[in-house]
Parts: sequence; C-alpha cells; structure tokens
Amino acid sequence: SQQGEEDPQALSIQEGENATMNCSYKTSINNLQWYRQNSGRGLVHLILIRSNEREKHSGRLRVTLDTSKKSSSLLITASRAADTASYFCATGYSGGGADGLTFGKGTHLIIQP
Amino acid sequence: DSGVTQTPKHLITATGQRVTLRCSPRSGDLSVYWYQQSLDQGLQFLIQYYNGEERAKGNILERFSAQQFPDLHSELNLSSLELGDSALYFCASSGQTSAYGYTFGSGTRLTVV
Repeated sequence: SQQGEEDPQALSIQEGENATMNCSYKTSINNLQWYRQNSGRGLVHLILIRSNEREKHSGRLRVTLDTSKKSSSLLITASRAADTASYFCATGYSGGGADGLTFGKGTHLIIQP
Repeated sequence: DSGVTQTPKHLITATGQRVTLRCSPRSGDLSVYWYQQSLDQGLQFLIQYYNGEERAKGNILERFSAQQFPDLHSELNLSSLELGDSALYFCASSGQTSAYGYTFGSGTRLTVV
C-alpha cells in the first residue's frame, strides 16, 4: 500500500504561476523526499527534508514538513514549461536491517505556455 | 546519465515466457532497489539488495526473483509472464542509507502480449 498520497492528482497552471503540491503520509518517518518524473523516464531526486526540519529551499523549490499533521508540501515558484512532469513524494523508513522509500502515486503537473 | 544503467530499455514478449532485467548501480552505491510502475498501481516497491544480500521485500510476486552479484549489478527475473505484468520496471541505487536519496535508472518497459 502507498505510504504517501499526493494531492491533487493533476494540476494545470499557466507558465510563470506558482504550483503547490501536497503529500500526506500515515506513519512516522525519518525523512521525506520529492522526486520528479518526466514522461516514461526515471525519477529524479529533487529535495529531501528530515523529520526535524520544517522548511527547506532549493532554487525555485520550497518544501515544508508538518510532522504533527503528517503532511508536506512542494512549492515550485515561477513555473516553466520544462517543469511539466509528475511529482512524487517518498517517505523514508528503516528497520529490521532494511531502509528504503515508499512512493505516493504522484501529482501530474502541466505548465501551459 | 544518472549513473544507474538498466538494460534492455524495451522488451516485448509473449505470455508464459521468462525475461531477465539487468541493473548496474551508480559507482560506489551498495543498495539496489527494484520498483514496478503501472498506471493503476503507481510505483510499487519489489525488493531491495544491499551488498549482495536481500534486505527487504515488498509486493513481489512468487513468479519474480532477483539477485545482486559480487560486482553489485542486479538482475530481476520475471517468469510465467502474464498480460498484467506489462509495466515499467525501475532500478534505483543508494549509498549506505536511503536517507540521501535514490538514483534511478531510465527503466525497462516490458510489454507482454
């Protein structure tokens, strides 16, 4: 079963606008990561936020984490056509010698020129 | 080029057949993860290997098996293929811990006809 759930499932905005995607999860996490996937390609790691952090920035990306609400948001500012992709949140788990990531189903973002 | 190499890129085969997907992790990464991505199920974790040993199993069918070799490359074997096995299969690698993110390969698109 999916740990993270992104919302919305799809988002279409005009170029230059900001895009916000949300992720909710169910259990305790060590960290939360966001990935981008261009159509049919591999996922690309964008940004990681640890459970003891509240906000993180990387270029035009801003991620927030609220562990009390078990939710995170990804903000892309000044969107560009090249930002069109699917965005996934992934929650980190560890235990029993294993550690890994559980992915949500993604938000499909379309930037209209 | 992400540093994770997956072959082949595309595979078309008939029901009942067996195929092997190959993955070479990024140089220095010890962990390999296999994921299956389909439209309706999203990104499903199959199995993790760390330095040659199986570390975690996800939703991997009994018809599927994997291994990681001494040179750290990994193979995913899919047998008695069914139409529903058609999907994108991704390999990802990470260092000692997934807490620094995964590096994904470009995937193998499997079509079962």
